[in-house]
Amino acid sequence: SQELEQSPQSLIVQEGKNLTINCTSSKTLYGLYWYKQKYGEGLIFLMMLQKGGEEKSHEKITAKLDEKKQQSSLHITASQPSHAGIYLCGADIGNGQNFVFGPGTRLSVLP
Amino acid sequence: SAVISQKPSRDICQRGTSLTIQCQVDSQVTMMFWYRQQPGQSLTLIATANQGSEATYESGFVIDKFPISRPNLTFSTLTVSNMSPEDSSIYLCSVYGLTDRVENYGYTFGSGTRLTVV
Repeated sequence: SQELEQSPQSLIVQEGKNLTINCTSSKTLYGLYWYKQKYGEGLIFLMMLQKGGEEKSHEKITAKLDEKKQQSSLHITASQPSHAGIYLCGADIGNGQNFVFGPGTRLSVLP
Repeated sequence: SAVISQKPSRDICQRGTSLTIQCQVDSQVTMMFWYRQQPGQSLTLIATANQGSEATYESGFVIDKFPISRPNLTFSTLTVSNMSPEDSSIYLCSVYGLTDRVENYGYTFGSGTRLTVV
């Protein structure tokens, strides 16, 4: 079974629209990471969240981790074609020994 | 902070041959990890490579197919042996250690190796 679930699986939005991607776990997470991946390329680190209730922003992207540290959301404001790609959440589930990834969300932004 | 150089960035290989992927870190790290991402799928951990010990392989991955070397605290290699088209994937190395982020410790990933087997 998947340790991390992501929703939606894919998303197509019009440029300028806001969107949210969710990442959920049944376990408490020690660290929750968000990555972006251009099709067929390596990972680009976006943000890491560690504390319950934590929220971070970078440019037009905001990530939140819930108080229970089991769910995170990634919100993009006023999306642009440059935001297109695959967004992956990853999590540390045990003192740096185990790291798992969600299945990814494929985002397309239509100009 | 850990900066990872992964080589090659991409390669096209013939069926039955082997490819060795290198991962060089600019600082000493204890834990290094190798991942595979098959087309259209998320990343899957192949093995954990800690210096001074044998690599630990995840279910579905074996040493004969994916031998790993970890000669020191800054370098590791992953070899994909006797390749078939099913091995066409992105391979990523990762380390857990000091980062240049405010969190200080966390995971850093290499830029990936895109392998196509024909």
